[in-house]
Amino acid sequence: QVHLQESGPGLVKPSETLSLTCAVSGGSISSSNWWSWVRQPPGKGLEWIGEISHSGRTNYNLSLKSRVTISIDKSNNQFSLKLSSVTAADTAVYYCAREGYSFTSGDVWGQGTTVTVSS
Amino acid sequence: QSALTQPPSASGSPGQSVTISCTGTSSDVGGYNYVSWYQQHPGKAPKLMIYEVNKRPSGVPDRFSGSKSGNTASLTVSGLQAEDEADYYCSSYAGSNNYVFGTGTKVTVL
Repeated sequence: QVHLQESGPGLVKPSETLSLTCAVSGGSISSSNWWSWVRQPPGKGLEWIGEISHSGRTNYNLSLKSRVTISIDKSNNQFSLKLSSVTAADTAVYYCAREGYSFTSGDVWGQGTTVTVSS
Repeated sequence: QSALTQPPSASGSPGQSVTISCTGTSSDVGGYNYVSWYQQHPGKAPKLMIYEVNKRPSGVPDRFSGSKSGNTASLTVSGLQAEDEADYYCSSYAGSNNYVFGTGTKVTVL
């Protein structure tokens, strides 16, 4: 059974880069799945950030595209998110997910990690 | 792209049915049969309930059903149970390898 676990700093300063990693266990990240990142600001709804395929192809939310980079590390069975030039508006719970069904944001999700942008 | 529009709240008594709407445009909901629905309990990660408009992942009760007409998709929960009380979000493929979520609906079981 696939399990996902997000990790990274819980506090990031404004203008700096947010970096998170999603460790995949119980299955290979090199499977045919896509892998995604979704975030949720406090008390607000979900926002799709982007996705990466097992071969490294990426798709990003058009509104975040200039600041987002998603990468895959097959040797460590994990994928990562980098979001540059962060502001308080980027404060959110960040989730990683496996897209077990096409054209969805995920059928297996991590527990989420809270990132606060503050000086 | 703008978030899909959902009613902020919906409610029903145990055993009743509740239907949640999700309104988009011809560029997302109306243009593709790739609408999915997620259930989220407080403090928990979302759970996929419906994909491709009306398909259920294994393990999801058949009390949950989805449909679409034009630019509006709907999720119906039949035979409401206490554990169905949660936030529900729709999502749609929006073309150009992008996805958009709905604004979310809080379902209360009276």
